[in-house]
Amino acid sequence: GENVEQHPSTLSVQEGDSAVIKCTYSDSASNYFPWYKQELGKGPQLIIDIRSNVGEKKDQRIAVTLNKTAKHFSLHITETQPEDSAVYFCAVDRGSTLGRLYFGRGTQLTVWP
Amino acid sequence: EPEVTQTPSHQVTQMGQEVILRCVPISNHLYFYWYRQILGQKVEFLVSFYNNEISEKSEIFDDQFSVERPDGSNFTLKIRSTKLEDSAMYFCASGVGGSGYEQYFGPGTRLTVT
Repeated sequence: GENVEQHPSTLSVQEGDSAVIKCTYSDSASNYFPWYKQELGKGPQLIIDIRSNVGEKKDQRIAVTLNKTAKHFSLHITETQPEDSAVYFCAVDRGSTLGRLYFGRGTQLTVWP
Repeated sequence: EPEVTQTPSHQVTQMGQEVILRCVPISNHLYFYWYRQILGQKVEFLVSFYNNEISEKSEIFDDQFSVERPDGSNFTLKIRSTKLEDSAMYFCASGVGGSGYEQYFGPGTRLTVT
């Protein structure tokens, strides 16, 4: 299967600072990389994704970068706010199956006011 | 905005009992999934379902598990004889396409097996 590693497991930042979470994967055929935000007691919410033919994608304060050669992708959150506090999961789709996602272990992000 | 819904939000059952977890995917979606998350661990794929049949299942999805789309709106996961280790959060997800397309998750059902 696909091996997805996510770092760090916890991240604390001051409001207004940037946060970066990184994931690595093992299968070079993987072609779709979504990020999910999970708030306490809720399901994972898709916040941004990137496909393998693109190196970077941005949506307001959130961006994702992909390095296919090195097999890693990162989530960047700028100007963090307390409501960004949640668990963030990266996921990988190997492209050879009908959408099975392999998840990282998650990063608990805490934004202090 | 359309969303995936799941019932019940919490299910407590005794070991050996059967449970059915229910999901209503987003209406124009054609691909359906079940994932689970044991407390403190990563989200794990169980099964994908398309065109009224299972597309792929993981090693977790053994003979105790089954899925069904009994009508045009519901998608169910049945566990025939629950074990303690089945205690987890179960998430349903749906998407318009398969590989490479967005998957939208429901709020989950917390299953507790005693």
